[in-house]
Amino acid sequence: SQQGEEDPQALSIQEGENATMNCSYKTSINNLQWYRQNSGRGLVHLILIRSNEREKHSGRLRVTLDTSKKSSSLLITASRAADTASYFCATAGWGGFKTIFGAGTRLFVKA
Amino acid sequence: GAGVSQSPSNKVTEKGKDVELRCDPISGHTALYWYRQSLGQGLEFLIYFQGNSAPDKSGLPSDRFSAERTGGSVSTLTIQRTQQEDSAVYLCASSFGTGGNQPQHFGDGTRLSIL
Repeated sequence: SQQGEEDPQALSIQEGENATMNCSYKTSINNLQWYRQNSGRGLVHLILIRSNEREKHSGRLRVTLDTSKKSSSLLITASRAADTASYFCATAGWGGFKTIFGAGTRLFVKA
Repeated sequence: GAGVSQSPSNKVTEKGKDVELRCDPISGHTALYWYRQSLGQGLEFLIYFQGNSAPDKSGLPSDRFSAERTGGSVSTLTIQRTQQEDSAVYLCASSFGTGGNQPQHFGDGTRLSIL
């Protein structure tokens, strides 16, 4: 099974609200990354958090990592209609290149 | 170009035909990945190239799939004797440096449809 599993599978919110997406994984990781994908496009890297970090911010994005629970969350504050996309977490192990992607959360922000 | 370029953007072909998908990575990026994405799903790893090292082909689903990377730059993914289950979006990504510590930069993919 895939390393990363996102929750929820789909999320619909109003513009201005916050959106929280969660990711769980199974094995020890070196880092965890979040990506965004607009319909019909490739993935865009949002943020990378290393296993020794607990929280990271980038603009309206806040990512947390709890290695004891093998979970991460992505918070998008003050959401905008343009945030509508699919969001994927991806985990990278130690000593390797392979990044394993989850199935994604589809976020819909209503204007 | 500034980003990862993939061609063609769309490909429709008949079952049993061979197809070639091309990826031009970002200049200077030593790592190149191929993924497959079925409708509404996550990414399935196919193959990885890093510099002059032997590629990791562990994700290729069958011996009908092969890939090469010439001169450490352009890569071609070939699917022989295509089957309907090969229909998907094939995404290419490149990154600078080794390991999984670098962000991957994606192309917009090739949407492959097998009739």
